[in-house]
Amino acid sequence: QVTLKESGPVVVRPTETLTLTCVVSGFSLNNNRMSVSWIRQLPGKALEFLAHIWPNDDENYAKSLNDRLTIAKDASKGQVVLTMTNMNPADTGTYFCARRTLTYNYGMDVWGQGTTVTVSS
Amino acid sequence: SYELTQPDSVSVALGQTARISCGRTNIADYNVHWYQQRPGQAPLLVIYKNNNRPSGIPERFSGSNSGNTATLIISRAQFEDEGDYYCQLWDRSVAMFGGGTKLSIL
Repeated sequence: QVTLKESGPVVVRPTETLTLTCVVSGFSLNNNRMSVSWIRQLPGKALEFLAHIWPNDDENYAKSLNDRLTIAKDASKGQVVLTMTNMNPADTGTYFCARRTLTYNYGMDVWGQGTTVTVSS
Repeated sequence: SYELTQPDSVSVALGQTARISCGRTNIADYNVHWYQQRPGQAPLLVIYKNNNRPSGIPERFSGSNSGNTATLIISRAQFEDEGDYYCQLWDRSVAMFGGGTKLSIL
């Protein structure tokens, strides 16, 4: 069974750096047919792509947040980590990781449950 | 604003056909995916590559993609189909999502 599970702090202070971890099981992060993205959803808003990491460790970022984001993976641990610097209250929302698979022509077929982050002093 | 344009809301009577559009110039050049999101839940892939259903998705879900508009079609709509629907495509390895459409079943 393929699962993804996000974890991280519930609350971060303004200007701090957020670190989120996505633990995957049921597939390998070295599998060339699969890769992992981070997506967020601000309250009452649409899904918003943040970052993506490929099996060869290539990275892609949302243009609007590119200078604040870093994505990395540790395939041996089955983990994908997202860091976002200089957090502010507008970043409050739910953060998801999702698997992208060639089986479904790069649709995101499995999502984590999401982790909620509040930015507040 | 979003680069993929969706209507804010669509309403359809129980058992009728719902159509949700997703607009972008030359969207037919891309593979469009559709996700359903119920309140408090993670998104669920319901259509991939324009008109294909992942395993476990009912046959009443289908899609099309032509010109500047992709469309999600839900035939014989059921109350359980209520939720938010998002179109998505990959453009140079960056994912783009539409603004989402709230589907209501009357």
